[in-house]
Amino acid sequence: LAKTTQPISMDSYEGQEVNITCSHNNIATNDYITWYQQFPSQGPRFIIQGYKTKVTNEVASLFIPADRKSSTLSLPRVSLSDTAVYYCLVGLYGGSQGNLIFGKGTKLSVKP
Amino acid sequence: EAGVTQFPSHSVIEKGQTVTLRCDPISGHDNLYWYRRVMGKEIKFLLHFVKESKQDESGMPNNRFLAERTGGTYSTLKVQPAELEDSGVYFCASSQDAWSGNTIYFGEGSWLTVV
Repeated sequence: LAKTTQPISMDSYEGQEVNITCSHNNIATNDYITWYQQFPSQGPRFIIQGYKTKVTNEVASLFIPADRKSSTLSLPRVSLSDTAVYYCLVGLYGGSQGNLIFGKGTKLSVKP
Repeated sequence: EAGVTQFPSHSVIEKGQTVTLRCDPISGHDNLYWYRRVMGKEIKFLLHFVKESKQDESGMPNNRFLAERTGGTYSTLKVQPAELEDSGVYFCASSQDAWSGNTIYFGEGSWLTVV
C-alpha cells in the first residue's frame, strides 16, 4: 500500500482557491487516489476520487499528472466551513482491500 | 438514503468492563470496515468484512477485540476487557462491491472513553 506525504497544515482566506498537494511516489498501477475531509467529532467524508488526469465534481477538482506520483486537491473559493482536515489516500479499495492508510492529513484553516 | 450509522455515539466505561459497538452499513453494501483512532494517533484500519466473512483482520490489535457480522448485515465490535489505551474513536465504514475505486463511506464514529 502506497504511503502519502502532504503538508501538515495550510492557511487560507475566504473566497480563495486552495490547492493541497499529496505525494505518493510508490503508487501502484491499480491504485486509486481518494481525498477525504474530516471535521472535528465526525467521520471522514468522501470528497473526490481519481485514477489519472483530472476529475471534477461539485465540491472539488483533483489533478493527477501522468506519472501519478502526486495529486492536487483543488477547492475553489473556500469558505469558513471548509476548515477541516483533508486526507489523501492511495490504494486499491472498495472491496477486495479495505486497508486504507490514513496519514496525518492536512489541517486547513480558512480565515475570514 | 441512510448513511453508515453507529451506536453508541459516546460511551464511558471503567477499565476491565466490556463494551459493544454496533455498526449498520449502508443498505446493500457487502463490505464493512472498522477503523479507529486512539489518542494522538492516526486513523488505523482494524478489519474488513465481505458479507459475513472476515476478509482482512490484520489490524485487530489483540484478542480483546472481537468483531462479528452475523447474517452479513450489521456488525458489532466488542472490547473485553477494556483497557485505558482503548480510548478513542471507532469508525465503521462500508462500500458497495468488490470493484476497485469504489467509494468507502464512513460513519460518525463511536467515541469510547475508558477510565
